Amino acid sequence: DQQVKQNSPSLSVQEGRISILNCDYTNSMFDYFLWYKKYPAEGPTFLISISSIKDKNEDGRFTVFLNKSAKHLSLHIVPSQPGDSAVYFCAASDLPGGKLIFGQGTELSVKP
Amino acid sequence: DARVTQTPRHKVTEMGQEVTMRCQPILGHNTVFWYRQTMMQGLELLAYFRNRAPLDDSGMPKDRFSAEMPDATLATLKIQPSEPRDSAVYFCASGLLSSGNTIYFGEGSWLTVV
Repeated sequence: DQQVKQNSPSLSVQEGRISILNCDYTNSMFDYFLWYKKYPAEGPTFLISISSIKDKNEDGRFTVFLNKSAKHLSLHIVPSQPGDSAVYFCAASDLPGGKLIFGQGTELSVKP
Repeated sequence: DARVTQTPRHKVTEMGQEVTMRCQPILGHNTVFWYRQTMMQGLELLAYFRNRAPLDDSGMPKDRFSAEMPDATLATLKIQPSEPRDSAVYFCASGLLSSGNTIYFGEGSWLTVV
């Protein structure tokens, strides 16, 4: 039973354009949401997070949007750069400091 | 430069052999996680500890997997006996409860069981 789902295994975007990565969840108790980026042969690295009291959090080129009623979050990268090419995982937790449940990942390819 | 350290980085073993993976969490972190990455499941939580006590190991096949924290600087994940379906990348991650939900991953242990 996949509580966090990323339905797009891959996404290809042109350099300079917007990348939108989507994530859906089923557990209404989730209150904390994070995005991680993973390069090949490396561990995932933290990118950005949001708590359920907000609907948007921005950090430079990265913005995460949360729609609690739809149980949906998205990561926007503007403008996309070739160095952003990686696998992106969304994750959710129901407690501060609690276990993170990850989605399957979306592989982003940004073409020059 | 604080980071999570995992050993071995790569391991090839024969079916039926015991495999032990080790993790040194970031100094001062009180929560340690073991995840497994597979193509189908993404990042799958196997077990996690807080202050060395196991909090949840429901994602771990109990008949062959075991996870322990002998001390605050070492976490171990053992598979005995190993099977080809255990082939995956195993990640350890650590975090500090007071710092929220952000956790920091090691580079992973690539396991191949033949």
